[in-house]
Amino acid sequence: AQTVTQSQPEMSVQEAETVTLSCTYDTSESNYYLFWYKQPPSRQMILVIRQEAYKQQNATENRFSVNFQKAAKSFSLKISDSQLGDTAMYFCAFMIRGATNKLIFGTGTLLAVQP
Amino acid sequence: EAGVVQSPRYKIIEKKQPVAFWCNPISGHNTLYWYRQNLGQGPELLIRYENEEAVDDSQLPKDRFSAERLKGVDSTLKIQPAELGDSAVYLCASSPEGALPYNEQFFGPGTRLTVL
Repeated sequence: AQTVTQSQPEMSVQEAETVTLSCTYDTSESNYYLFWYKQPPSRQMILVIRQEAYKQQNATENRFSVNFQKAAKSFSLKISDSQLGDTAMYFCAFMIRGATNKLIFGTGTLLAVQP
Repeated sequence: EAGVVQSPRYKIIEKKQPVAFWCNPISGHNTLYWYRQNLGQGPELLIRYENEEAVDDSQLPKDRFSAERLKGVDSTLKIQPAELGDSAVYLCASSPEGALPYNEQFFGPGTRLTVL
């Protein structure tokens, strides 16, 4: 069975600073996807960034980047130049490639960006 | 383009009462998902539809939960009777059918259910 672990329930960062959210996962599969989703307070969840496990290059989307360590089964999210609008719950998620499109989520990290 | 629409946004009921949630997916999305998100947890899949067919309902507690997706568009998730432990946010998501190796899921705002 696949599991996703986020060991940081809450984090805080000053505006314009950089913060890294941690995620580890466990799977015996070799072909899969990893995601970071953002869930702002009382708003819908949106996809922040995606990483294909077969790609060695770390994904980047503007101020968001990941550090994907396949051997260590680690998938951290770095947010640069943090903005007040980044305040949200962040979920790490896993999906087996070619399977049922089923997302398995971690328990989330609540990020607060302080002015 | 309109996103996934869910109603109601909030619902408070007493235990043993029935409750229903409604979801309208993004136009053209043939796959629809219902997730349950308990407080302090990540979402967990309850059921997935491909058009009208429920293709994965292994996590749906079938003794009290039911779902339908008539005509392959809107969907309704029902709980009868509700229990205290059903208090959670119920999320609906949809994804398109396409040539991608995976289909991105787009989430609705959820329905927050409180069972007293």
